[in-house]
Amino acid sequence: QKEVEQDPGPLSVPEGAIVSLNCTYSNSAFQYFMWYRQYSRKGPELLMYTYSSGNKEDGRFTAQVDKSSKYISLFIRDSQPSDSATYLCAMSGRLTGGGNKLTFGTGTQLKVEL
Amino acid sequence: DVKVTQSSRYLVKRTGEKVFLECVQDMDHENMFWYRQDPGLGLRLIYFSYDVKMKEKGDIPEGYSVSREKKERFSLILESASTNQTSMYLCASGVGEQFFGPGTRLTVL
Repeated sequence: QKEVEQDPGPLSVPEGAIVSLNCTYSNSAFQYFMWYRQYSRKGPELLMYTYSSGNKEDGRFTAQVDKSSKYISLFIRDSQPSDSATYLCAMSGRLTGGGNKLTFGTGTQLKVEL
Repeated sequence: DVKVTQSSRYLVKRTGEKVFLECVQDMDHENMFWYRQDPGLGLRLIYFSYDVKMKEKGDIPEGYSVSREKKERFSLILESASTNQTSMYLCASGVGEQFFGPGTRLTVL
């Protein structure tokens, strides 16, 4: 079993829809949670960064972490065609100078249609 | 803005060649990372470094080596390229969140 599971999609939604992207994980030591957006043939771009449980909002994006269920979500409101990309979740158990290795999900491919 | 640059966007090499991939970051980060990304397998960590001249193996270090002579520069070396090293290579830097470069798509023929 992988440490981080993410539905690969593809997920296709109409413009304006609310999108929900999710990851589950098995390692209870994870404390830091990130969402990255990756356009085709580009490097991942950090979207959201959260610590421990709770919600964080940034514009149309909301990240949610439920550590008791080992479940994280990214919500995109009023989705736009420019949101079409692959979304990667990532998580880490520590933040030290000894190397904060991230564990990634395999990514969910999202397409927002006009 | 954090900037992570990689020396090449696309590279084509022959089996057995020695390949150098360079990465430079401008944010004075101590930690730097090399990943490869393959369809269905996601991002896999090859090597990372948390200080100059320090390196640690990631999950798939076989066939690769790294060099970090200066804080801002982290190089990935394929000693003898093989076809199964055809992949997208991504460099990142940061403590906590990681910031990625644009990637190098390497094809080994």
